[in-house]
Parts: sequence; structure tokens; C-alpha cells
Amino acid sequence: AQSVTQLDSQVPVFEEAPVELRCNYSSSVSVYLFWYVQYPNQGLQLLLKYLSGSTLVKGINGFEAEFNKSQTSFHLRKPSVHISDTAEYFCAVSEANQAGTALIFGKGTTLSVSS
Amino acid sequence: EAQVTQNPRYLITVTGKKLTVTCSQNMNHEYMSWYRQDPGLGLRQIYYSMNVEVTDKGDVPEGYKVSRKEKRNFPLILESPSPNQTSLYFCASTRLAGGADGYTFGSGTRLTVV
Repeated sequence: AQSVTQLDSQVPVFEEAPVELRCNYSSSVSVYLFWYVQYPNQGLQLLLKYLSGSTLVKGINGFEAEFNKSQTSFHLRKPSVHISDTAEYFCAVSEANQAGTALIFGKGTTLSVSS
Repeated sequence: EAQVTQNPRYLITVTGKKLTVTCSQNMNHEYMSWYRQDPGLGLRQIYYSMNVEVTDKGDVPEGYKVSRKEKRNFPLILESPSPNQTSLYFCASTRLAGGADGYTFGSGTRLTVV
């Protein structure tokens, strides 16, 4: 079974500063990895995903993430954040190519960007 | 527009009164899931479905039922709601196994059981 640990429950940053949201996963099989964003009072939106291939994945809104198999990590980064990036961010994992498997979420990281 | 539609968005009910939250997707997706979101716990899967008439339990299925009689619809049924089922619920669907193309989420249903 897979599991996801988001290492920080809250990350406060100032506008235009860089940010990294950390995610570690555990699995005995090949996985897909995802980052989702949830803005206040909204549903979840896919930021980016890693399926295979290049370990650096670029997503929407200037975010990127790096898959590190040896450290079982999938950290999310943005070089310069905006006030509008304030949201909750979820890392998620699923078993690659397997029907009927769950998308397992971490507990979320609240990113608060202030001026 | 490709979307997952949940209804209602908000619901307040009393303990023990049966209710159904509807979910419909217009993308012809095979896979559908229900999640509940609680503060500090993230999203936890309740049930999922791989196709019509094929459903299975997720991590927190107690107190819930689902059905998948048509490909597009996946309703969540609470036969006898209790206050510990007060939560934010999301329906999601995906085309590919493992969610390789990403899940599309509905806008959520905020349920309060008093």
C-alpha cells in the first residue's frame, strides 16, 4: 500500500520569495505522483503530475516538482510566489497502471503568501 | 465543458435521515471515486468504481453506500447519517487506470449532520 507524508502543515512566505513544499511517499511498486491545489471554497485542481521519464516536471502557474526515487520524494517548488498562490496544496500518489487503485493524499500544506 | 457535477453544494440534515449526494461526469470516464475532506486529515477515499456495477471500498467506507448503474453517475448514499459524517465531500473521475491523466474533481458538497 502507498502512503504520502507532507512534511509541513503550514508554510508562510512573503510575496516574491521562493517556496518549497515537501512531500515524501512510500510504495513497493511503481507509482504516479501528483500535486493538487485547492483554493478557498473550491474543489481540487491538478497542478502537475509525474508518470515516468524526466524527473523534473513543470506544471501550471509556474510550479515545478522533482521526482527523486532514491529519496522517495516529490517536492513542489516555485521561484517567486504571488499573493494569489495562497491555497492548500496536496501531494498524492497512485499505483501506476493499476485499475481500481486509490489516489492516496497527504494531509495537505497550507501556503500563506503575504505582502 | 468537461466537468464533474455534484449536488447539492450544501446540505444540513438531522441524524438518521437518509440522504443521497449525486455525482455526474460528462467525460465518459471509467473510474470514479468519492472522498471526504476533514481538517488535518486531508482527503480520504470512501468508495471507488472501476466501471458500471463494479465498486469497491476505500479507506473509510463505514456508514456509506454507492451504486454505479450508469457510467456517468456515481451517487453517494448515507442510509442513517451521524454527526461524525459532517464533512466536505468530493466526487472525482478519471479516464485512465491509476489516474494517469489526472482526476477531475467536483466542486464539493458540504454536509452538516445535527
